[in-house]
Amino acid sequence: DIQMTQSPSSVSASVGDRVIITCRASQGISSWLAWYQQKPGKAPKLLIYAASSLQSGVPSRFSGSGSGTDFTLTISSLQPEDFAIYYCQHANSFPITFGQGTRLDIK
Amino acid sequence: QLQLQESGPGLVKPSETLSLTCTVSGGSISSGSYHWGWIRQPPGKGLEWIGSIYYSGSTYYNPSLKSRVTISIDTSKNQFSLKLSSVTAADTAVYYCARDRDHGVVRWFDPWGQGTLVTVSS
Repeated sequence: DIQMTQSPSSVSASVGDRVIITCRASQGISSWLAWYQQKPGKAPKLLIYAASSLQSGVPSRFSGSGSGTDFTLTISSLQPEDFAIYYCQHANSFPITFGQGTRLDIK
Repeated sequence: QLQLQESGPGLVKPSETLSLTCTVSGGSISSGSYHWGWIRQPPGKGLEWIGSIYYSGSTYYNPSLKSRVTISIDTSKNQFSLKLSSVTAADTAVYYCARDRDHGVVRWFDPWGQGTLVTVSS
């Protein structure tokens, strides 16, 4: 199985800050990577797919980059509604696996 | 707008079989050549892909659960289902159903159902 490791596990930031979350795959996955946002008691929401493609309806302050084993999710200017847990997920092969999550808290 | 809704017992006894159904509304489960999947999340923990099924019935399972999992589809009812046998407390989780975003492949999931908590306890 391909292991997905996110860093940091948690981060505190303020409204307006720029935040970068990283995801590393245990082997190369080309651009087969997605990012999700999950708020308490809610289902995950797809933000980014194919490493850098923005899902319809997602604000442009979210962006993704990377290929191979190293990927980043950038939130350019944090808004109050962005405080949540973020997960990466690979789609290179079966089984599909997710990162352990990064909790983004208000500073 | 496509919507998915999970349903089934919220409490299952150890060693029994967990059975959940996902009802799709706002679109046909057999149109568009999509895969339909199940993902679970133990309380306070991360996400685990359980498996996916194509509208035609082809299935893909997580090897860690494959011996206990069956996913099926009923196009006449616009539903797909999950059965997980021989459950233990480790199977306690919120179970989500979801559709793959893209046609014909299992890649990334959108949209999702709201999720349903299943507790395994005697």
